[in-house]
Amino acid sequence: AQSVTQPDIHITVSEGASLELRCNYSYGATPYLFWYVQSPGQGLQLLLKYFSGDTLVQGIKGFEAEFKRSQSSFNLRKPSVHWSDAAEYFCAVGPFNQAGTALIFGKGTTLSVSS
Amino acid sequence: AAGVIQSPRHLIKEKRETATLKCYPIPRHDTVYWYQQGPGQDPQFLISFYEKMQSDKGSIPDRFSAQQFSDYHSELNMSSLELGDSALYFCASSLHGSTGELFFGEGSRLTVL
Repeated sequence: AQSVTQPDIHITVSEGASLELRCNYSYGATPYLFWYVQSPGQGLQLLLKYFSGDTLVQGIKGFEAEFKRSQSSFNLRKPSVHWSDAAEYFCAVGPFNQAGTALIFGKGTTLSVSS
Repeated sequence: AAGVIQSPRHLIKEKRETATLKCYPIPRHDTVYWYQQGPGQDPQFLISFYEKMQSDKGSIPDRFSAQQFSDYHSELNMSSLELGDSALYFCASSLHGSTGELFFGEGSRLTVL
Protein backbone atom coordinates (compact mmCIF):
# COMPACT_ATOMS: atom_id res chain seq x y z
CA ALA A 1 0.00 0.00 0.00
CA GLN A 2 1.15 3.50 -0.72
CA SER A 3 1.86 5.58 2.35
CA VAL A 4 3.88 8.40 3.77
CA THR A 5 5.17 8.40 7.33
CA GLN A 6 6.35 11.46 9.18
CA PRO A 7 7.58 10.05 12.49
CA ASP A 8 7.77 13.36 14.32
CA ILE A 9 4.44 14.95 15.18
CA HIS A 10 5.94 18.04 16.78
CA ILE A 11 9.48 19.42 16.79
CA THR A 12 10.82 22.47 18.60
CA VAL A 13 14.02 24.05 17.38
CA SER A 14 15.89 27.08 18.61
CA GLU A 15 16.13 29.97 16.22
CA GLY A 16 19.39 29.70 14.28
CA ALA A 17 19.72 25.97 14.90
CA SER A 18 19.61 23.38 12.16
CA LEU A 19 16.49 21.41 11.30
CA GLU A 20 15.76 17.99 9.88
CA LEU A 21 12.23 16.72 9.34
CA ARG A 22 11.90 13.06 8.54
CA CYS A 23 9.79 11.47 5.84
CA ASN A 24 9.58 7.84 4.82
CA TYR A 25 7.42 6.54 2.04
CA SER A 26 6.13 3.29 0.69
CA TYR A 27 5.44 3.36 -3.01
CA GLY A 28 5.53 0.64 -5.62
CA ALA A 29 6.47 2.70 -8.63
CA THR A 30 8.80 5.60 -9.32
CA PRO A 31 7.46 8.37 -7.13
CA TYR A 32 7.38 12.06 -7.20
CA LEU A 33 8.24 13.42 -3.75
CA PHE A 34 7.22 16.75 -2.33
CA TRP A 35 7.44 18.87 0.77
CA TYR A 36 4.69 21.39 1.41
CA VAL A 37 4.44 23.97 4.19
CA GLN A 38 1.23 25.28 5.70
CA SER A 39 0.86 28.27 7.97
CA PRO A 40 -2.23 28.33 10.22
CA GLY A 41 -5.42 28.83 8.23
CA GLN A 42 -3.51 29.02 4.98
CA GLY A 43 -3.11 26.88 1.92
CA LEU A 44 -0.24 24.54 1.20
CA GLN A 45 2.87 26.01 -0.38
CA LEU A 46 5.36 23.86 -2.20
CA LEU A 47 8.85 23.97 -0.70
CA LEU A 48 10.56 21.56 -3.06
CA LYS A 49 10.06 18.48 -5.16
CA TYR A 50 12.01 15.51 -6.47
CA PHE A 51 11.25 13.38 -9.48
CA SER A 52 14.60 12.46 -11.00
CA GLY A 53 18.23 13.41 -11.22
CA ASP A 54 20.28 14.83 -8.40
CA THR A 55 19.08 13.33 -5.15
CA LEU A 56 19.75 16.54 -3.22
CA VAL A 57 17.16 19.12 -4.17
CA GLN A 58 17.05 22.75 -3.24
CA GLY A 59 13.85 24.55 -2.49
CA ILE A 60 12.55 27.90 -1.45
CA LYS A 61 13.28 29.64 1.84
CA GLY A 62 16.65 27.92 2.19
CA PHE A 63 15.25 24.39 2.49
CA GLU A 64 16.74 21.30 0.93
CA ALA A 65 15.84 17.64 0.89
CA GLU A 66 17.72 14.46 0.07
CA PHE A 67 16.14 11.47 -1.61
CA LYS A 68 17.58 8.16 -0.43
CA ARG A 69 16.08 5.31 -2.38
CA SER A 70 17.72 2.64 -0.22
CA GLN A 71 16.04 4.08 2.88
CA SER A 72 12.81 5.17 1.18
CA SER A 73 13.34 8.55 2.74
CA PHE A 74 13.04 12.15 1.71
CA ASN A 75 14.14 14.21 4.70
CA LEU A 76 13.83 17.97 4.75
CA ARG A 77 16.67 20.08 6.11
CA LYS A 78 17.51 23.68 6.80
CA PRO A 79 20.86 24.80 8.21
CA SER A 80 19.54 27.74 10.21
CA VAL A 81 15.92 28.07 11.24
CA HIS A 82 14.14 31.41 11.40
CA TRP A 83 11.16 32.19 13.61
CA SER A 84 9.03 32.57 10.47
CA ASP A 85 9.61 28.90 9.66
CA ALA A 86 7.19 27.87 12.40
CA ALA A 87 4.43 26.04 10.54
CA GLU A 88 3.08 22.63 9.62
CA TYR A 89 5.16 20.62 7.17
CA PHE A 90 3.76 17.89 5.00
CA CYS A 91 5.64 15.33 2.99
CA ALA A 92 3.78 13.92 0.00
CA VAL A 93 4.28 11.24 -2.62
CA GLY A 94 2.65 10.94 -6.01
CA PRO A 95 2.72 8.82 -9.13
CA PHE A 96 4.98 9.48 -12.04
CA ASN A 97 3.03 11.42 -14.60
CA GLN A 98 -0.44 9.94 -14.11
CA ALA A 99 -3.02 12.60 -14.73
CA GLY A 100 -5.37 13.24 -11.89
CA THR A 101 -3.96 10.71 -9.47
CA ALA A 102 -3.79 12.33 -6.09
CA LEU A 103 -0.81 12.97 -3.90
CA ILE A 104 -0.68 11.05 -0.66
CA PHE A 105 0.21 13.19 2.31
CA GLY A 106 1.86 12.31 5.56
CA LYS A 107 0.27 13.32 8.85
CA GLY A 108 2.47 16.38 9.07
CA THR A 109 5.08 17.70 11.47
CA THR A 110 4.45 20.85 13.45
CA LEU A 111 7.56 22.97 13.77
CA SER A 112 7.87 25.39 16.65
CA VAL A 113 10.78 27.81 16.83
CA SER A 114 11.99 29.04 20.18
CA SER A 115 13.98 32.21 20.69
CA ALA B 1 1.37 34.83 -11.38
CA ALA B 2 -2.21 33.62 -11.27
CA GLY B 3 -2.96 31.12 -8.56
CA VAL B 4 -5.78 28.74 -7.75
CA ILE B 5 -8.86 30.69 -6.73
CA GLN B 6 -11.39 29.25 -4.34
CA SER B 7 -14.70 30.69 -3.32
CA PRO B 8 -16.17 31.32 -0.92
CA ARG B 9 -13.29 31.56 1.54
CA HIS B 10 -15.60 31.08 4.49
CA LEU B 11 -19.01 29.47 4.66
CA ILE B 12 -21.33 28.80 7.58
CA LYS B 13 -24.20 26.35 7.18
CA GLU B 14 -26.71 24.57 9.35
CA LYS B 15 -26.97 20.79 9.59
CA ARG B 16 -28.80 19.19 6.69
CA GLU B 17 -28.23 22.21 4.45
CA THR B 18 -26.32 22.13 1.19
CA ALA B 19 -23.15 23.96 0.20
CA THR B 20 -21.27 24.52 -3.02
CA LEU B 21 -17.59 25.34 -3.24
CA LYS B 22 -15.98 26.64 -6.38
CA CYS B 23 -12.46 26.31 -7.68
CA TYR B 24 -10.79 28.12 -10.54
CA PRO B 25 -7.51 26.45 -11.52
CA ILE B 26 -4.40 28.14 -12.75
CA PRO B 27 -4.86 29.03 -16.43
CA ARG B 28 -3.98 26.11 -18.76
CA HIS B 29 -4.09 23.59 -15.92
CA ASP B 30 -6.23 20.65 -16.94
CA THR B 31 -6.48 18.73 -13.66
CA VAL B 32 -8.29 19.65 -10.48
CA TYR B 33 -8.17 17.96 -7.09
CA TRP B 34 -10.30 18.40 -3.98
CA TYR B 35 -8.97 17.76 -0.51
CA GLN B 36 -10.60 17.99 2.91
CA GLN B 37 -8.56 18.95 5.96
CA GLY B 38 -10.07 18.64 9.41
CA PRO B 39 -8.62 20.52 12.39
CA GLY B 40 -5.10 19.31 13.08
CA GLN B 41 -5.35 16.72 10.32
CA ASP B 42 -3.52 16.06 7.10
CA PRO B 43 -5.30 16.78 3.82
CA GLN B 44 -7.54 13.92 2.79
CA PHE B 45 -8.08 13.42 -0.91
CA LEU B 46 -11.68 13.53 -2.06
CA ILE B 47 -11.81 13.48 -5.84
CA SER B 48 -10.01 14.68 -8.95
CA PHE B 49 -10.81 15.51 -12.54
CA TYR B 50 -8.67 15.48 -15.66
CA GLU B 51 -10.04 17.10 -18.79
CA LYS B 52 -13.51 17.24 -17.26
CA MET B 53 -13.63 13.53 -16.50
CA GLN B 54 -13.38 12.07 -13.02
CA SER B 55 -9.86 10.77 -12.70
CA ASP B 56 -9.38 9.49 -9.17
CA LYS B 57 -11.64 9.06 -6.20
CA GLY B 58 -10.73 9.09 -2.56
CA SER B 59 -12.76 9.28 0.61
CA ILE B 60 -15.56 11.41 -0.75
CA PRO B 61 -18.90 10.79 0.98
CA ASP B 62 -21.89 9.84 -1.16
CA ARG B 63 -23.51 13.10 -0.03
CA PHE B 64 -20.83 14.99 -1.93
CA SER B 65 -20.50 15.35 -5.66
CA ALA B 66 -18.22 17.31 -7.91
CA GLN B 67 -17.65 18.13 -11.52
CA GLN B 68 -15.26 19.97 -13.78
CA PHE B 69 -16.70 22.30 -16.36
CA SER B 70 -15.67 23.19 -19.91
CA ASP B 71 -13.65 26.15 -18.66
CA TYR B 72 -11.87 23.76 -16.26
CA HIS B 73 -13.29 25.28 -13.12
CA SER B 74 -14.70 22.79 -10.65
CA GLU B 75 -17.48 22.76 -8.09
CA LEU B 76 -17.85 20.60 -5.02
CA ASN B 77 -21.45 20.12 -3.96
CA MET B 78 -22.15 18.97 -0.44
CA SER B 79 -25.63 17.99 0.69
CA SER B 80 -27.20 16.93 3.99
CA LEU B 81 -24.35 18.60 5.80
CA GLU B 82 -23.19 17.10 9.07
CA LEU B 83 -21.20 18.62 11.90
CA GLY B 84 -18.26 16.45 10.88
CA ASP B 85 -18.12 18.12 7.49
CA SER B 86 -16.70 21.23 9.15
CA ALA B 87 -13.25 21.51 7.65
CA LEU B 88 -10.96 23.38 5.34
CA TYR B 89 -11.56 22.32 1.76
CA PHE B 90 -8.66 22.74 -0.61
CA CYS B 91 -8.69 22.74 -4.33
CA ALA B 92 -5.47 22.13 -6.22
CA SER B 93 -4.65 22.15 -9.89
CA SER B 94 -1.92 20.72 -12.04
CA LEU B 95 -0.92 20.37 -15.65
CA HIS B 96 -0.74 16.81 -16.95
CA GLY B 97 2.70 16.04 -18.34
CA SER B 98 4.43 18.37 -15.93
CA THR B 99 6.31 17.31 -12.82
CA GLY B 100 3.26 16.29 -10.84
CA GLU B 101 3.27 19.36 -8.63
CA LEU B 102 -0.08 20.38 -7.22
CA PHE B 103 -0.75 24.06 -6.78
CA PHE B 104 -3.12 24.66 -3.89
CA GLY B 105 -5.66 27.38 -3.33
CA GLU B 106 -6.06 29.13 -0.01
CA GLY B 107 -8.97 26.89 0.91
CA SER B 108 -12.63 27.31 1.76
CA ARG B 109 -13.45 26.99 5.43
CA LEU B 110 -16.81 25.35 5.98
CA THR B 111 -18.43 25.51 9.40
CA VAL B 112 -21.53 23.43 10.00
CA LEU B 113 -23.60 24.43 13.02
